[in-house]
Amino acid sequence: SQQGEEDPQALSIQEGENATMNCSYKTSINNLQWYRQNSGRGLVHLILIRSNEREKHSGRLRVTLDTSKKSSSLLITASRAADTASYFCATDQAGTALIFGKGTTLSVSS
Amino acid sequence: DTAVSQTPKYLVTQMGNDKSIKCEQNLGHDTMYWYKQDSKKFLKIMFSYNNKELIINETVPNRFSPKSPDKAHLNLHINSLELGDSAVYFCASSDRGALGNQPQHFGDGTRLSIL
Repeated sequence: SQQGEEDPQALSIQEGENATMNCSYKTSINNLQWYRQNSGRGLVHLILIRSNEREKHSGRLRVTLDTSKKSSSLLITASRAADTASYFCATDQAGTALIFGKGTTLSVSS
Repeated sequence: DTAVSQTPKYLVTQMGNDKSIKCEQNLGHDTMYWYKQDSKKFLKIMFSYNNKELIINETVPNRFSPKSPDKAHLNLHINSLELGDSAVYFCASSDRGALGNQPQHFGDGTRLSIL
């Protein structure tokens, strides 16, 4: 069964704006990861956040995790056209493989 | 240098044929994976190997057979291809740890089209 669900499915913004994507999951997790996929390419790891962490930053990326609500968000600040891609959250169910959500497709126009 | 490389990038073949996809990683990782991504971009784990040992085998038709000759290589052989096998197949690798607590590195995918 699918673990993560991203919201919204699609997001269109202008360069310079912030983009926020949300991920909800169903069962307890140890870790949650965010990945980016450019068109025609493989997934690229962005950030891993552990269940005992609430927030993590990497450059223009900020990830939050609320285990009580079983949700995470990915914020991309000052978006650029190069940020156009699909973004996926992935969660572990202890001892098993990563389970990916359906992704959010982000379009950043200049 | 490509970290995770898959060949071929595109594979177009007839229903009923047998085909193989090869994957190699030069990251020194000991765990490798095969994923299937459908036309709606849903990505699902198929298999995982750790040091040549199968550790994850999801509900996949037995027409799909992975083979890991060494920890840097994980190949996927598919027998009697069906229309529903059309998808993008991704190879990935990671360091071992409890599954899911390590970043995974993906290849660029093999786009399989069944005619």
